[in-house]
Amino acid sequence: AQSVAQPEDQVNVAEGNPLTVKCTYSVSGNPYLFWYVQYPNRGLQFLLKYITGDNLVKGSYGFEAEFNKSQTSFHLKKPSALVSDSALYFCAVRAQGGKLIFGQGTELSVKP
Amino acid sequence: KAGVTQTPRYLIKTRGQQVTLSCSPISGHRSVSWYQQTPGQGLQFLFEYFSETQRNKGNFPGRFSGRQFSNSRSEMNVSTLELGDSALYLCASSLEGLGITEAFFGQGTRLTVV
Repeated sequence: AQSVAQPEDQVNVAEGNPLTVKCTYSVSGNPYLFWYVQYPNRGLQFLLKYITGDNLVKGSYGFEAEFNKSQTSFHLKKPSALVSDSALYFCAVRAQGGKLIFGQGTELSVKP
Repeated sequence: KAGVTQTPRYLIKTRGQQVTLSCSPISGHRSVSWYQQTPGQGLQFLFEYFSETQRNKGNFPGRFSGRQFSNSRSEMNVSTLELGDSALYLCASSLEGLGITEAFFGQGTRLTVV
């Protein structure tokens, strides 16, 4: 069965430091992977996706994600965190039939 | 262009009642998906409609149903409401489907069952 796991409920970083939000997946066949962000009282916003091609995917707001097939991971990264990056981040994988399965979410907190 | 619009934004219902939520997707998008978001369960997939046909369905009881109209607008209905149905219900639209093309989410309808 397809699934996605975000092992950290919360990630705390200082502004200006690099950040990583972890995601691992389980899927048969080639994975289609996505990252979304949710700000308080808002819907989800698309950040980036991996379908095929380069393992390093660049997305919105300076975020990027690294696809690692051997480790079945798709970690979200940003070289320098901003306080405004504080939000709830969701990793997702395309499951059979085309629906998206989301991880439990990781709360990112960036302190000044 | 206009985003995904969900109405109403907030709703309070009594246990046993039924409720209908509405979602207007981005113009031109044929796929509309619904998710239930709760603190304990995260984002749970309800169903997806594509060109008026249900294309995918999650593991929710039959009390949860939906439909899509010819203009791609979608409604979801929950009958015989239970306290556990209290959640944020999110609608997402995309050109071809959430697992294929970028999805745009509405702000959600927060349903409280008392």
